Amino acid sequence: DADVTQTPRNRITKTGKRIMLECSQTKGHDRMYWYRQDPGLGLRLIYYSFDVKDINKGEISDGYSVSRQAQAKFSLSLESAIPNQTALYFCATSDRTGGQETQYFGPGTRLLVL
Amino acid sequence: GNSVTQMEGPVTLSEEAFLTINCTYTATGYPSLFWYVQYPGEGLQLLLKATKADDKGSNKGFEATYRKETTSFHLEKGSVQVSDSAVYFCAQSATSGTYKYIFGTGTRLKVLA
Repeated sequence: DADVTQTPRNRITKTGKRIMLECSQTKGHDRMYWYRQDPGLGLRLIYYSFDVKDINKGEISDGYSVSRQAQAKFSLSLESAIPNQTALYFCATSDRTGGQETQYFGPGTRLLVL
Repeated sequence: GNSVTQMEGPVTLSEEAFLTINCTYTATGYPSLFWYVQYPGEGLQLLLKATKADDKGSNKGFEATYRKETTSFHLEKGSVQVSDSAVYFCAQSATSGTYKYIFGTGTRLKVLA
């Protein structure tokens, strides 16, 4: 089984709808992240969480919110979806061993907002 | 601020050709450096990493050496295969303080049979 899973894998929604993307991990990591990927822009950080009680905004958090329900679960919500939120969304987890951090990614959710 | 710069793609090679994908970084201190690979329709997978100067990361025939003097971490492979076709991302991670994991924009590699 995959260590980092994302649901759904694909989603089509309409402008103004609220949607939630979910991420679960079995790696036992405290740190979790949400990124979006757009062609030619690489990955941009939306939100990150270093433990259940810690939530931080990334570089492009406007229009998004997150919930860290448990160590293993980190959800991303679009309260009112708009077409420019059409993108590929990735969840990641990381450990920080000996001061070094390595990130591990889920398979991604492809979102289309009409 | 910290940054990662990769060569623009796409890079198109014939099978068994030599591959180099350039990556340079700017950073305060000495970050860890990574290469990730994204195959079509999949998420990013860690390919290799190096945590200090002169370290060489290697995996699946790919290699990259952490060069502090040139602030570079170029990815190389001696003989590419069609199955290596993917997007490759260079990234850095700060060794102290709060979050600072920065990705390059990615380089698409296409290998022709």
